[in-house]
Amino acid sequence: NAGVTQTPKFQVLKTGQSMTLQCAQDMNHEYMSWYRQDPGMGLRLIHYSVGAGITDQGEVPNGYNVSRSTTEDFPLRLLSAAPSQTSVYFCASRFDREETQYFGPGTRLLVL
Amino acid sequence: DAKTTQPPSMDCAEGRAANLPCNHSTISGNEYVYWYRQIHSQGPQYIIHGLKNNETNEMASLIITEDRKSSTLILPHATLRDTAVYYCIVRANTGNQFYFGTGTSLTVIP
Repeated sequence: NAGVTQTPKFQVLKTGQSMTLQCAQDMNHEYMSWYRQDPGMGLRLIHYSVGAGITDQGEVPNGYNVSRSTTEDFPLRLLSAAPSQTSVYFCASRFDREETQYFGPGTRLLVL
Repeated sequence: DAKTTQPPSMDCAEGRAANLPCNHSTISGNEYVYWYRQIHSQGPQYIIHGLKNNETNEMASLIITEDRKSSTLILPHATLRDTAVYYCIVRANTGNQFYFGTGTSLTVIP
């Protein structure tokens, strides 16, 4: 198993540009989520999904959209990037009835 | 979900036990205590979790006080590779959100 994969590893955007951060898992996990981590802070939940076709907002959802058309993929979309979205983004997944979350390696995003 | 309080940083000598405390005085009866760690910019890694009994696995032990208002993660023989930020999280097993907080930065010293 590849586990949780994220692409790209690093991205630079200009203010106002849009982009999609990709997340995929091959463990057939129902639950997937996106976090952002800013310097000196813990992880904050952006959006999560409990299964294909079901998504919900987390702690800091503004400026981000998600969709879950398949069990494997959970992309995060930035419609109009802002410097405040400069951060490291982590995707995670787990089985619905298990407690262990598996995290991807992260995507480092810089918005100029 | 209940909030947690952890010291911002700790040091531990290599080979000694590392005891990381966590206060969760507002924890509810159905909330579990979880511990994750994050090694230098990598994705967080699950360590252990428990409800009210002490738990042990191949990575660590979790000691939860009888009133469940605090807990301690124990790394029995710390190595340099255990240097990381350790997060204590409380969450109901029916909840979908993990609130990570700022954690404890553990430095294992040779």
